Amino acid sequence: AAGVIQSPRHLIKEKRETATLKCYPIPRHDTVYWYQQGPGQDPQFLISFYEKMQSDKGSIPDRFSAQQFSDYHSELNMSSLELGDSALYFCASSPGRDRLPIMYFGPGTRLTVT
Amino acid sequence: SQKIEQNSEALNIQEGKTATLTCNYTNYSPAYLQWYRQDPGRGPVFLLLIRENEKEKRKERLKVTFDTTLKQSLFHITASQPADSATYLCALEGSSNTGKLIFGQGTTLQVKP
Repeated sequence: AAGVIQSPRHLIKEKRETATLKCYPIPRHDTVYWYQQGPGQDPQFLISFYEKMQSDKGSIPDRFSAQQFSDYHSELNMSSLELGDSALYFCASSPGRDRLPIMYFGPGTRLTVT
Repeated sequence: SQKIEQNSEALNIQEGKTATLTCNYTNYSPAYLQWYRQDPGRGPVFLLLIRENEKEKRKERLKVTFDTTLKQSLFHITASQPADSATYLCALEGSSNTGKLIFGQGTTLQVKP
């Protein structure tokens, strides 16, 4: 079965640079979530989209923005990167509000800021 | 504010024994509670979901209980195997009703052969 796809899997950037992370949800899943997980931490919710519209926002810095496109893939744009942005970034998709709220996570993008 | 607590100390058990992990929550009235497994450097994987009106849910060697009075869930792995070694995350839906999950910090289980 198709899973959530994330790219790139690894990314190394320098401080003050910009990064773009991509997420391709499971087909026919209408909701996409972005999470950030620091070392030894639990996943922290950043932002979500339902049917291509932003549906919820968590502890996402103003330097970050995200959108969902017409083909349902989503991108997380991160600017003015800081050392503290180094983390695993997960995208998850969910099959819809009339189904059980189970999340299917991608393999993650490991971002290292030097 | 909503808070989920899991035992942050690693749980070490011998193969074949039953592992029991605890999840406590405050300032929540969740309709569902979920458990996920996470291996190092990988995304969480869904294991079980239990509804507020269910006391217990089973799936193969896994069992989850949900006590809405105590605001607690217990996650059991019977006949544990070294392959069960991972971090187990408890998750509840956030109050915004958009489907987002709030995760506990996870408990790391180590099953020794």
